[in-house]
Amino acid sequence: NAGVTQTPKFRVLKTGQSMTLLCAQDMNHEYMYWYRQDPGMGLRLIHYSVGEGTTAKGEVPDGYNVSRLKKQNFLLGLESAAPSQTSVYFCASSSFGGSSYNEQFFGPGTRLTVL
Amino acid sequence: EDQVTQSPEALRLQEGESSSLNCSYTVSGLRGLFWYRQDPGKGPEFLFTLYSAGEEKEKERLKATLTKKESFLHITAPKPEDSATYLCAVCGGTASKLTFGTGTRLQVTL
Repeated sequence: NAGVTQTPKFRVLKTGQSMTLLCAQDMNHEYMYWYRQDPGMGLRLIHYSVGEGTTAKGEVPDGYNVSRLKKQNFLLGLESAAPSQTSVYFCASSSFGGSSYNEQFFGPGTRLTVL
Repeated sequence: EDQVTQSPEALRLQEGESSSLNCSYTVSGLRGLFWYRQDPGKGPEFLFTLYSAGEEKEKERLKATLTKKESFLHITAPKPEDSATYLCAVCGGTASKLTFGTGTRLQVTL
């Protein structure tokens, strides 16, 4: 089991460029999440999905879009990158119910710099 | 709105010097309180889930406890490899998402 994987690990963009971050999980989890982590701000939820074909906004959704076309994949898109989106992005997945209620498993992160 | 406050922001201990990290929370209908460990440059790693006041869980030198307003992560006789940032999060009400605190950065020295 690879768990949660993220692609790419590092990326540098210029203001206005677009990119897509890919998250994949092999644990058959229903729920998937995208967070950003900034110094002093903690982990903040951008968007999440409770199942294939569904998405919902989190705490800081502006400037981002997501898609969950397949259960195992969750994509985060930046249509026009801004310096304020410089951050470390984490993907996570979880299943609900039983003894592992919403225990989230995290990927290794993508470090994004927008110049 | 769910809120999580962790204290202290940073803690420096000598090897073997036991201490506790605090996580205060406000949530409407707690469904679970979670502790994670995060090493520099890596994603958070799950440690514990606590579901109700009075519950305790242990793992090696770590013990997590829960009351109706706060959780403590007790570290007994820490070692340098326990150095990390410890994150607390809550899931409440009908939410299917977690609210995280900003973490406590722990450094354990020889």
